[in-house]
Amino acid sequence: GESVGLHLPTLSVQEGDNSIINCAYSNSASDYFIWYKQESGKGPQFIIDIRSNMDKRQGQRVTVLLNKTVKHLSLQIAATQPGDSAVYFCAENGNTDKLIFGTGTRLQVFP
Amino acid sequence: GAGVSQTPSNKVTEKGKYVELRCDPISGHTALYWYRQSLGQGPEFLIYFQGTGAADDSGLPNDRFFAVRPEGSVSTLKIQRTERGDSAVYLCASSLSAGTGGTEAFFGQGTRLTVV
Repeated sequence: GESVGLHLPTLSVQEGDNSIINCAYSNSASDYFIWYKQESGKGPQFIIDIRSNMDKRQGQRVTVLLNKTVKHLSLQIAATQPGDSAVYFCAENGNTDKLIFGTGTRLQVFP
Repeated sequence: GAGVSQTPSNKVTEKGKYVELRCDPISGHTALYWYRQSLGQGPEFLIYFQGTGAADDSGLPNDRFFAVRPEGSVSTLKIQRTERGDSAVYLCASSLSAGTGGTEAFFGQGTRLTVV
C-alpha cells in the first residue's frame, strides 16, 4: 500500500480567511524554531523564527506562537492569499547546530 | 547577492554509479548544511560544516555518502554505488554561522536525484 508519509495533513481555507497551521515539536531542549514555506519544485523558504525566550512573534501577515509547556508551535497567516498555497514545515534545533523538520502541512487556498 | 545555488538541478543515474552534487552557499556564510527530502516528507538532516570541517555528520545514512568543503565555501556531496533508495531531492542550506542559538538558514532549490 501507499506510504502514510505521502499523505500530508491538508488545511483548506478560503481566500481572505485567516489560516492556523499547527506543529508539535519533539525536543524540550529546543530553543530555536523556524517556519518554512515550500512550493512545488523549490527549496524551503524562511517565513519567521522564534526563540524559546519568547511566546509570540509577528511578521508581515504572519504570527508564530510558541507554547513550551505542551511543546506546540503555530503559524497564523492573516488574510490568506492564493500565493500562500504551499507546504509549511516547522523546524526545531533540538539545542544543537542543526534544524530538525516536522512532516509538513499542505495549505490550499480557494478563491 | 545570489542565493544558495545547487547543481545539477536534476540528475538521473544508473544503480551502482557514482554521483557528485554541488552546492554554492551564500558568500560569507560559514555554516553549510545538506538535507535529503523524500516525497511527502520534511527535509532530513545529513551533515553540516562549520568552515571546512564537518561539525556533525550523524545524519549520513551509511559510508556510501561523503561530503567535502575543502575551502570553506563550495561543498560537494558524493554518493558511491548508488541505490534506488537514494532517489530523493538533496537540499543544501547555508547560514552566517551555526550555534545552539540558531540562525536563519537559506535553502537552495535542491538537486533531484533519480537512480534507475
